Amino acid sequence: GNSVTQMEGPVTLSEEAFLTINCTYTATGYPSLFWYVQYPGEGLQLLLKATKADDKGSNKGFEATYRKETTSFHLEKGSVQVSDSAVYFCALSLLTGGGNKLTFGTGTQLKVEL
Amino acid sequence: GAGVSQSPSNKVTEKGKDVELRCDPISGHTALYWYRQSLGQGLEFLIYFQGNSAPDKSGLPSDRFSAERTGGSVSTLTIQRTQQEDSAVYLCASSLNGGVSSGELFFGEGSRLTVL
Repeated sequence: GNSVTQMEGPVTLSEEAFLTINCTYTATGYPSLFWYVQYPGEGLQLLLKATKADDKGSNKGFEATYRKETTSFHLEKGSVQVSDSAVYFCALSLLTGGGNKLTFGTGTQLKVEL
Repeated sequence: GAGVSQSPSNKVTEKGKDVELRCDPISGHTALYWYRQSLGQGLEFLIYFQGNSAPDKSGLPSDRFSAERTGGSVSTLTIQRTQQEDSAVYLCASSLNGGVSSGELFFGEGSRLTVL
């Protein structure tokens, strides 16, 4: 079956530190890959996506590259801010009879401190 | 409002009671999804609607769970004879068209269910 594995949190960083949150996937076929973010008290929202191998998704200073050879989609940011504190979810989607059904990882909580 | 709206935001119920959770998707979105978020479990897919029909119900955990969608808009998730393990945050999401791989689902803030 399809699955997503991401590093466990919480991850605690100082402001301006470099961030990496690892994500690997297992899928039959060629999935699209996503990072969603859930800020405190808010609903999940799409952060970035990549739909084919070697694509790089980017948004708000975050980047992730679709690596088919390593089945990975690691999230990176060069300099985090306190406002980036949130829970980050890696997800995949395979276009099937289930529409855009997303398979999510368990989420990684990020805490950024001054 | 412009986003996905869910109600109630919080529900506390006693074991064995039935509960209904409501989702009002973004206007014009034909696809609607229900997920469950349990502590340490990530997000678990429950059911997908395209219009009023549900081509994928594979995530419903038992026959105590059911959902319907009327008028291609509002959806209700019903849990009968609630159990303590049903305690979770139930999330609803919608997307413009479930048939393309755009992948952007718009989520509501969820309904937190606590079964005592």
